[in-house]
Amino acid sequence: AQTVTQSQPEMSVQEAETVTLSCTYDTSENNYYLFWYKQPPSRQMILVIRQEAYKQQNATENRFSVNFQKAAKSFSLKISDSQLGDTAMYFCAFMEYGNKLVFGAGTILRVKS
Amino acid sequence: EAGVVQSPRYKIIEKKQPVAFWCNPISGHNTLYWYRQNLGQGPELLIRYENEEAVDDSQLPKDRFSAERLKGVDSTLKIQPAELGDSAVYLCASKARNTEAFFGQGTRLTVV
Repeated sequence: AQTVTQSQPEMSVQEAETVTLSCTYDTSENNYYLFWYKQPPSRQMILVIRQEAYKQQNATENRFSVNFQKAAKSFSLKISDSQLGDTAMYFCAFMEYGNKLVFGAGTILRVKS
Repeated sequence: EAGVVQSPRYKIIEKKQPVAFWCNPISGHNTLYWYRQNLGQGPELLIRYENEEAVDDSQLPKDRFSAERLKGVDSTLKIQPAELGDSAVYLCASKARNTEAFFGQGTRLTVV
């Protein structure tokens, strides 16, 4: 069974600085998707960024980028120029091509002014 | 385009009572998920539908939980009878082929 591990329960960063959230996963599949979701206190789970395993290029969405290391089964999220609105719980998630979607335990990110 | 709609947003019930949650997925999304999320933890899958067929319900406590997805659109998740440990946020999500999953706002259940 696929598992997703987020080893950082909590992280803090100063406004305008950069922070990296870690994620590792375990799978025997070769083709799959990886995601980072953000969940603010309002509870709405929002997609931040997605990566397809067959793509070697790391995904980027504005201030958000990933470091995808397929051989190491690592998928970290870098947030540049952190903003107060980035404060939330961040979940790393894995999805096989069969649509089974598995989440990590999450990392609480606090952006300080 | 409307997102995933869940109702109610909040529900407080006494233990041993029944409760039901409703989810309306995004139009055209064939895959529907129900997750349970305990406070400070990640979502845990309860059941996944592909159209009207439940294809992954291994984590659904079948002695008290049931779910249905009529005509492959709306879905209902029921708990009967509820226990104190069922207090959690219940999330519904849907996805189309080759897209990410889109989530509703969740239902916060409190069992007292």
